[in-house]
Amino acid sequence: GQNIDQPTEMTATEGAIVQINCTYQTSGFNGLFWYQQHAGEAPTFLSYNVLDGLEEKGRFSSFLSRSKGYSYLLLKELQMKDSASYLCAVRDSNYQLIWGAGTKLIIKP
Amino acid sequence: ETGVTQTPRHLVMGMTNKKSLKCEQHLGHNAMYWYKQSAKKPLELMFVYNFKEQTENNSVPSRFSPECPNSSHLFLHLHTLQPEDSALYLCASSQGQESPPLHFGNGTRLTVT
Repeated sequence: GQNIDQPTEMTATEGAIVQINCTYQTSGFNGLFWYQQHAGEAPTFLSYNVLDGLEEKGRFSSFLSRSKGYSYLLLKELQMKDSASYLCAVRDSNYQLIWGAGTKLIIKP
Repeated sequence: ETGVTQTPRHLVMGMTNKKSLKCEQHLGHNAMYWYKQSAKKPLELMFVYNFKEQTENNSVPSRFSPECPNSSHLFLHLHTLQPEDSALYLCASSQGQESPPLHFGNGTRLTVT
């Protein structure tokens, strides 16, 4: 079967750096997505990786290793507003999106 | 602000009621989706419409009935639901069915009593 694994919950301190990992086993690979979802709000698109390596976008970076079936989302200079759930999703060979259950990130002052 | 608008934001209904969820996208996209989001579970794809044609139905019970009158509007008609159907129902759109990323609405929080 197809599976996406990410930690259920993480806690970090304001101003620090946190890395949220995502591992996947899917039928083929056509890209990996990260979304941010604040409580009671819509998931919003953060990043898309289809080739190996690091994609940087401001305070957020996303890394992909296709050979390891692994990605991480790196958040720097954490702010209280970064408290949210972070969803990892992989598009398989049929272009279907397979979703992880999300990682709830709690930021403490 | 989202380009995908869902109404109502909250809905409480009994098991014998009939209600409808509405979704409208202002992004000029051609594909629209219904997802179910339950606590601590992955998003579950329910239905996909591409250019108004239904292209995916992921074994969803018939008590959920989608309707897509045009590329900008999507409905989910609900009848004789069960308490386990209580969840957040998210609508999303994309340029095409194979064109990321998805743009989501804020969802309808459904409670079935």
